[in-house]
Amino acid sequence: AQRVTQPEKLLSVFKGAPVELKCNYSYSGSPELFWYVQYSRQRLQLLLRHISRESIKGFTADLNKGETSFHLKKPFAQEEDSAMYYCALSGTGTASKLTFGTGTRLQVTL
Amino acid sequence: GAGVSQTPSNKVTEKGKYVELRCDPISGHTALYWYRQSLGQGPEFLIYFQGTGAADDSGLPNDRFFAVRPEGSVSTLKIQRTERGDSAVYLCASSLARNTEAFFGQGTRLTVV
Repeated sequence: AQRVTQPEKLLSVFKGAPVELKCNYSYSGSPELFWYVQYSRQRLQLLLRHISRESIKGFTADLNKGETSFHLKKPFAQEEDSAMYYCALSGTGTASKLTFGTGTRLQVTL
Repeated sequence: GAGVSQTPSNKVTEKGKYVELRCDPISGHTALYWYRQSLGQGPEFLIYFQGTGAADDSGLPNDRFFAVRPEGSVSTLKIQRTERGDSAVYLCASSLARNTEAFFGQGTRLTVV
């Protein structure tokens, strides 16, 4: 069975501090990993996917198959990063059938 | 162009009643997905359509839940004999093809009283 674990419900950091949102997964095969973000009163949207190897809004995430992790990082948090972040997994070839974690609320304070 | 549109945005119904939730995907998107998000949880997969057919309905919790997409565009999620445990936000998403980025609607908040 595939599973995504986000151990922190809430992460509170100061503006300018580094951010790391943790995500661990279990999947018997080669998964695709994603981070989705939901800003206040907005719809869920894709932030980044591991196969793209992009940096979006200063965020990066590296897939570590040995540790089965896909942590989301940003060196300097901004106030506008405050949102709900969901890590998600899909099996190869089914990029839209996603298994989500329970989410982490990131709160960036001044 | 408009994104994925879901109606109604809120629905309150009595236990035992029947409800229909509608999803208008982005024009031209062949893949359509329904998810359910309960309070404090991430979205949970319900069903996936490729065109008009349900390619994967493994996430539907029981036979009270049914979804259709008769013309390969708009989809309706139907819930019979609603129960209080069905209260959740129901999310619809569409994508150009099966393996491409999914775009989510704003959701329908269903409350069963």
